[in-house]
Amino acid sequence: GEDVEQSLFLSVREGDSSVINCTYTDSSSTYLYWYKQEPGAGLQLLTYIFSNMDMKQDQRLTVLLNKKDKHLSLRIADTQTGDSAIYFCAESPYSSASKIIFGSGTRLSIRP
Amino acid sequence: DTGVSQDPRHKITKRGQNVTFRCDPISEHNRLYWYRQTLGQGPEFLTYFQNEAQLEKSRLLSDRFSAERPKGSFSTLEIQRTEQGDSAMYLCASTEGYGGASTDTQYFGPGTRLTVL
Repeated sequence: GEDVEQSLFLSVREGDSSVINCTYTDSSSTYLYWYKQEPGAGLQLLTYIFSNMDMKQDQRLTVLLNKKDKHLSLRIADTQTGDSAIYFCAESPYSSASKIIFGSGTRLSIRP
Repeated sequence: DTGVSQDPRHKITKRGQNVTFRCDPISEHNRLYWYRQTLGQGPEFLTYFQNEAQLEKSRLLSDRFSAERPKGSFSTLEIQRTEQGDSAMYLCASTEGYGGASTDTQYFGPGTRLTVL
């Protein structure tokens, strides 16, 4: 089946690193994504990783993929107040080149 | 081009009424998707179009829901005889749809928030 799981909340201190974790079930997933959603706004694509990659880095963002354990993580370095949002992990199942399966989202809050 | 646009942004209706939402994808994008997002959940896939052809529909799309993309550009999503359970954010996304991560990446619009009283 197709399912994506994430923890619901994460609180970090400003300036620290945030690590948001995700597990998925479809081993045939081709692409895995991280989207950001701020209050009242649409989904913003942050980054994606192809299933044959282990890591991808883009400025403050680092994505790690453990395909064996079906585990995906997003690390945000030097977390800022502007990073407060809900972060969605998502997968694109090989069985369907169309839809994306989303997790329920992790709400990231920043402490001063 | 400023991205995917959706209209209206908010819709309040009474139970039993029909509503129609519009989505304008990014120009030249062949694929268009509809998702529904309820409070505290991630978006759930409803349906998608390749140009004007509707190629996949979720089981979530009951008989009261219909989507069209008549000219392969904008799309409409209609809900007939709305129910309170239809209250949600309806999101539209588009992609170039030629294959590969960059062209298959879905870009989302701001959504239409539906409230059924």
